[in-house]
Amino acid sequence: AQKITQTQPGMFVQEKEAVTLDCTYDTSDPSYGLFWYKQPSSGEMIFLIYQGSYDQQNATEGRYSLNFQKARKSANLVISASQLGDSAMYFCAMRDMMDSSYKLIFGSGTRLLVRP
Amino acid sequence: ETGVTQTPRHLVMGMTNKKSLKCEQHLGHNAMYWYKQSAKKPLELMFVYSLEERVENNSVPSRFSPECPNSSHLFLHLHTLQPEDSALYLCASSQDQGGGLAGELFFGEGSRLTVL
Repeated sequence: AQKITQTQPGMFVQEKEAVTLDCTYDTSDPSYGLFWYKQPSSGEMIFLIYQGSYDQQNATEGRYSLNFQKARKSANLVISASQLGDSAMYFCAMRDMMDSSYKLIFGSGTRLLVRP
Repeated sequence: ETGVTQTPRHLVMGMTNKKSLKCEQHLGHNAMYWYKQSAKKPLELMFVYSLEERVENNSVPSRFSPECPNSSHLFLHLHTLQPEDSALYLCASSQDQGGGLAGELFFGEGSRLTVL
């Protein structure tokens, strides 16, 4: 069975510094996708970044990068140059790309607070 | 218009009421989802519709009844709910491109439901 684990319920970071949010996953499927979403207090889940299990390079999207370590089954999100607007809940998620059920499994989330 | 719109944003209902949540997506996607987000729990997938056919039903109680009349609209009909059903209900859509290509989910801002 697939499982996503986020062990940090809450994190603090100083504005303009970088922060790493941890995510580990468990799956027996060879083909899968890993996603990170941001959920501000408004409730909307905002897609940030995607990493495919066969991608050779770590994904990057602006200030977001994904530190993908396949052997360790980890997909940590790195946010560089933190901004006050980055304060939100962050969810790691996984989808089995061979599964036609479209199921996206989410972790329990990490609440990030950026200090001025 | 925003990509995925949910109404109402807030709903308070008694256990004997019947109400509906509405979701509309303006992204031309071919799959729509209902997720439940309870306090201190990971997002739970409830229903998935692809091309207006239900493809996933995660053992959701029958007091929740989904309806997908077309690819742009998704409803969640609610009746005789319990207080433990109080949660944020998130609608999402995605474009399934086939071949295992990533289809990130685009979420609405959610409907916060309180059952008295």
